[in-house]
Amino acid sequence: DGGITQSPKYLFRKEGQNVTLSCEQNLNHDAMYWYRQDPGQGLRLIYYSQIVNDFQKGDIAEGYSVSREKKESFPLTVTSAQKNPTAFYLCASSKDLEGAAYGYTFGSGTRLTVV
Amino acid sequence: LAKITQPISMDSYEGQEVNITCSHNNIATNDYITWYQQFPSQGPRFIIQGYKTKVTNEVASLFIPADRKSSTLSLPRVSLSDTAVYYCLVGHTGRRALTFGSGTRLQVQP
Repeated sequence: DGGITQSPKYLFRKEGQNVTLSCEQNLNHDAMYWYRQDPGQGLRLIYYSQIVNDFQKGDIAEGYSVSREKKESFPLTVTSAQKNPTAFYLCASSKDLEGAAYGYTFGSGTRLTVV
Repeated sequence: LAKITQPISMDSYEGQEVNITCSHNNIATNDYITWYQQFPSQGPRFIIQGYKTKVTNEVASLFIPADRKSSTLSLPRVSLSDTAVYYCLVGHTGRRALTFGSGTRLQVQP
């Protein structure tokens, strides 16, 4: 079955550490996205990528970094510069950047907690 | 960018029809309207998408008036498992990802 796989499902980070969240898709989608969701809130866009080796900042990119070395993979690193990283992180993909025309496919999310 | 307004929450009972209306006054000519459903600790799931008039699938119907400044998601005969957050999205033109608002939290009671 085609889909998006996020790992790990739960992640704990100590203060000052960098952590990387994995996102892999086998849908042959060009565009990939990272969103952050805080309790009771909607999704906020962190980064997105429309093609390999290209990515753009979203609305809340500070303290995060991404790479897109392969079409299938779009890992997100939460750096120590992100002061409040505890949240639910969602990865998504779409056929291309005109996501509204085709719909997004989401992964099952990674819940990050700072301890 | 289309500004989206939808109710924060709604309550319903099993077996009732639920209509959630979304306002998007400055929708662009080539924007689509898409609805997603999200359960706790899961990623949103695509429900339905439309451009104008009415669209129906096995899950829901989407009504879009001629001026396209609003849309209504209709869920027929809801069950407890329909308790979720529902997001209305409007497709951006140009090279930009979609923005999710806070959604509508639907609570279905027995």
